[in-house]
Amino acid sequence: QVQLVQSGAELKKPGASVRVSCEASGYSFSDYFIHWVRQAPGQGLEWMGWLNPKSGATNFEQNFRGRVTLTRDTSVNTAYMELNTLRSDDTAVYYCASSYDYSDYGAFDVWGQGTQVTVSS
Amino acid sequence: DIQLTQSPSSVSASVGDRVTITCRASHGIGAWFAWYQHKPGTAPKLLVYATSSLQSGVPSRFSGSRSGTDFTLTISSLQPEDFATYYCQQASSWVAFGQGTKVEIK
Repeated sequence: QVQLVQSGAELKKPGASVRVSCEASGYSFSDYFIHWVRQAPGQGLEWMGWLNPKSGATNFEQNFRGRVTLTRDTSVNTAYMELNTLRSDDTAVYYCASSYDYSDYGAFDVWGQGTQVTVSS
Repeated sequence: DIQLTQSPSSVSASVGDRVTITCRASHGIGAWFAWYQHKPGTAPKLLVYATSSLQSGVPSRFSGSRSGTDFTLTISSLQPEDFATYYCQQASSWVAFGQGTKVEIK
């Protein structure tokens, strides 16, 4: 079945970087954008940016430009989100998501299970 | 950028109640609008896409509608499994989510 599987929880110190992976299966990885969304404790969902797996093109919400890098390895059907210069307020659950059946409408019907990233000294 | 203002931030309701959640867009969006249900420890679940189309497998007690730049999610008869947080989302200009509405047991 169509699914996205993310890497495990991370504990990082302030100023460090973290990389979260998102492996796609059950569909053609290159054909559907991968989006990244996060939820900080007690907060709502926050969209971070998207990656076009076919071309490698990316785009970001303004707050994340310059601090987030989105990449992919098509040989293993995996997208990566790297967040640099971590701060305590980057502590959140990070999700990858895709519009598999609804790419014409921008609705995310496939989600990874989420990756907890904790930033603490 | 298009901003979404979602209300209320929380609602207390009983099983069987009708619940309405509203999202107001700062500009016209077209059909690029969706609703999600989110429960703790799980990934968000798509309920409604293209403003009013129900995702496969979603119960018919959920419905989406639109009037101008106001979008509404209605749960016609609240069930125990519906207690969760609900988010609206637009993808017309970049992507943005509303602030969320927590539906709690009264």
